Amino acid sequence: GIQVEQSPPDLILQEGANSTLRCNFSDSVNNLQWFHQNPWGQLINLFYIPSGTKQNGRLSATTVATERYSLLYISSSQTTDSGVYFCAVEYRKAGGYQKVTFGTGTKLQVIP
Amino acid sequence: KAGVTQTPRYLIKTRGQQVTLSCSPISGHRSVSWYQQTPGQGLQFLFEYFSETQRNKGNFPGRFSGRQFSNSRSEMNVSTLELGDSALYLCASSLAPSPRDEQYFGPGTRLTVT
Repeated sequence: GIQVEQSPPDLILQEGANSTLRCNFSDSVNNLQWFHQNPWGQLINLFYIPSGTKQNGRLSATTVATERYSLLYISSSQTTDSGVYFCAVEYRKAGGYQKVTFGTGTKLQVIP
Repeated sequence: KAGVTQTPRYLIKTRGQQVTLSCSPISGHRSVSWYQQTPGQGLQFLFEYFSETQRNKGNFPGRFSGRQFSNSRSEMNVSTLELGDSALYLCASSLAPSPRDEQYFGPGTRLTVT
């Protein structure tokens, strides 16, 4: 099946700093989403971004499907940005099944 | 518009028992998917239901099953529980079936098997 790798696995930032999280995938995908998982386990939608660039406040994302990667940018980080960031891709398996695979996540800690 | 709801939020069961988890999607969403999250395996796809039919499934044993009702609500059942089934079970809903548009997740059910 498809491999989804996220980097870095862990990141510690000073409040106000910027960061870039990366998601690499090993094969063609139908779509890609970025999520933020809060300390209570809730997955919060950040971006649905199979290709192109989107921005939402201090966050933006870019997916280059032809090169099989996506980037999540966090600017002027705040302590509330702490948590784990996941990318998830959907692809077609042999036999016609569609499957969603999550990356291993980037654990972000923003310190005051 | 209300989000995805899951019940119960927490559950403790004993090995060998069975458990049923429930998920109510966002109003108007007809596709429901289930995921298991564990520290060792991360987030893994269990199955997807649309119009009361299972459309896709992940690599889980037959002890894991589900169904969807005509109102799009979904239940997931795990029979003969094992210690390794302890996990956070998440459900997600979307408007369309796979290939999906944006998925929205519920708060999860945290299952502990003793």
